[in-house]
Amino acid sequence: DAGVTQSPTHLIKTRGQQVTLRCSPISGHKSVSWYQQVLGQGPQFIFQYYEKEERGRGNFPDRFSARQFPNYSSELNVNALLLGDSALYLCASSLEQGAWDIQYFGAGTRLSVL
Amino acid sequence: DQQVKQNSPSLSVQEGRISILNCDYTNSMFDYFLWYKKYPAEGPTFLISISSIKDKNEDGRFTVFLNKSAKHLSLHIVPSQPGDSAVYFCAANLLSGNTPLVFGKGTRLSVIA
Repeated sequence: DAGVTQSPTHLIKTRGQQVTLRCSPISGHKSVSWYQQVLGQGPQFIFQYYEKEERGRGNFPDRFSARQFPNYSSELNVNALLLGDSALYLCASSLEQGAWDIQYFGAGTRLSVL
Repeated sequence: DQQVKQNSPSLSVQEGRISILNCDYTNSMFDYFLWYKKYPAEGPTFLISISSIKDKNEDGRFTVFLNKSAKHLSLHIVPSQPGDSAVYFCAANLLSGNTPLVFGKGTRLSVIA
């Protein structure tokens, strides 16, 4: 069975540009969460989506937005990129949205903002 | 303000010996704790979890201990194997309510053959 897949794997953008990252959850998983991992830090929660609705949002500016599609795949959009947005962006899927539900992570998209 | 702290950035252990990775938390509301392992170029992989109603959970070579009064948990790996070399993240959240995982900064474990 395929795990969580993310695309692209690497991305280079310049300041002020916009970027869209994509995530396909494990088949049957309805919840998708997005995390940002800056070098030397642990993953930091950005969004959770469940059944196409936003169920949680971390402490990130409005430049960050996301959505979930009817097939449960998800996109993370970041507008007006800043140098500080350079990070590994991780997507995680879980069967449901409860705290008991184990989150399975993709390999991430490494974003470099120049 | 870090709610989950892993104060040791790295740890080296001989193959066959015990590895002990530590984690402290400040939010006394946390009642569910997890450990994830991350290899380079891969996403974090769930390893083991423990709820606050227990003080120990074991899965094969991996055991997690929880000391609620000290707000401290530890992951024991016995015996350590070279394939255990990875970054280990401690994470916490609340079972009630829809709260996200809060991760520590991670500890890089190197198991030397």
